Amino acid sequence: KAGVTQTPRYLIKTRGQQVTLSCSPISGHRSVSWYQQTPGQGLQFLFEYFSETQRNKGNFPGRFSGRQFSNSRSEMNVSTLELGDSALYLCASSLDKNTEAFFGQGTRLTVV
Amino acid sequence: AQKVTQAQTEISVVEKEDVTLDCVYETRDTTYYLFWYKQPPSGELVFLIRRNSFDEQNEISGRYSWNFQKSTSSFNFTITASQVVDSAVYFCALSERWGDDKIIFGKGTRLHILP
Repeated sequence: KAGVTQTPRYLIKTRGQQVTLSCSPISGHRSVSWYQQTPGQGLQFLFEYFSETQRNKGNFPGRFSGRQFSNSRSEMNVSTLELGDSALYLCASSLDKNTEAFFGQGTRLTVV
Repeated sequence: AQKVTQAQTEISVVEKEDVTLDCVYETRDTTYYLFWYKQPPSGELVFLIRRNSFDEQNEISGRYSWNFQKSTSSFNFTITASQVVDSAVYFCALSERWGDDKIIFGKGTRLHILP
């Protein structure tokens, strides 16, 4: 079965712009989580959606937002980009909490 | 509070040697789940194992084995007869039964297998 698909794979944006990243989970998985990975901070939880509802949010500013559609596909949006937002953004899908999370290849965002 | 510590930042071993990656965790929950993930250069996190807190049996899968010890809050990962393809960053992670829905990751251990 198809894995988790994230688009685009690479993105370059300038400061102040906004960006939308997309994640298609494994078929049948209703939980989608987003993580930010940077060399300094490691993997940090952004938020998790289940059946179109945000169940939890990490410690990130309001510029980071997301949503989930009825087909479980999810998008995350970052507004007013800052240089420090440059990172690998990983999406994970799972059946529910505490079950195995399967990750996509990530979107590498570079803010210049 | 949840915390996962991987004290080894980087390890290099020669091919065919055995190597153990350490993981120590902290949690106040009595029911929790531990994971190991592998991240090759391509960036995708590859799921390796999930273990719940009530199952302390060690597990072996091919050249991989895991040693879970609640008494020391450790969940160590051993690769036997390492191969160059094992080179990657390995993450240990924790999620709590009654906590929020996030997985807490350690900082990762970068493993270099030298030919």
